Amino acid sequence: NAGVTQTPKFRILKIGQSMTLQCTQDMNHNYMYWYRQDPGMGLKLIYYSVGAGITDKGEVPNGYNVSRSTTEDFPLRLELAAPSQTSVYFCASSYQYRDSNQPQHFGDGTRLSIL
Amino acid sequence: GESVGLHLPTLSVQEGDNSIINCAYSNSASDYFIWYKQESGKGPQFIIDIRSNMDKRQGQRVTVLLNKTVKHLSLQIAATQPGDSAVYFCADGGGYNNNDMRFGAGTRLTVKP
Repeated sequence: NAGVTQTPKFRILKIGQSMTLQCTQDMNHNYMYWYRQDPGMGLKLIYYSVGAGITDKGEVPNGYNVSRSTTEDFPLRLELAAPSQTSVYFCASSYQYRDSNQPQHFGDGTRLSIL
Repeated sequence: GESVGLHLPTLSVQEGDNSIINCAYSNSASDYFIWYKQESGKGPQFIIDIRSNMDKRQGQRVTVLLNKTVKHLSLQIAATQPGDSAVYFCADGGGYNNNDMRFGAGTRLTVKP
């Protein structure tokens, strides 16, 4: 199994550009999450989804949008890139939440720089 | 707002020694906590979790202790190995029906041979 796959691994954007970070999982997980990790910091939840067609805001949703049209895919959209969005973005998935038998699986991240 | 913090940003131990990484949380309603390991260039990896109805939980070479009175948890790694070198995060899973996990800033563990 591939697990959680994120693309691209690296990207440089100019201020004001837009892009979509892709995330796909092949474990048939209900829950999917997007986090950002700033240098020397822990992860902060941007958006999450409990199933296809359902999304909700996390701690830091401003400047981002998500959609969940299928169980497998959970893309994250940046509409107007700003320097403050320079970060490493992690996608994760889990079958349940708060279940140690079904912990979150993380992708290897997308490193995004806004210049 | 609520926060999750770690006591030390770095920890250096000798190979074979035990490691203890500490974490404090502030949300009194939190009842679920998780420890993650993150190696360079990788996403976090689940290590162990604990619910508030427990004080201690053991895994393979790892033990998590939870002190709800002082809102503190710790991760103990027995017989630390070079492969344990990584950044360790505690995460506060919040209260029941909460989907917003709050991460601490992390402790970088370095294992000296």
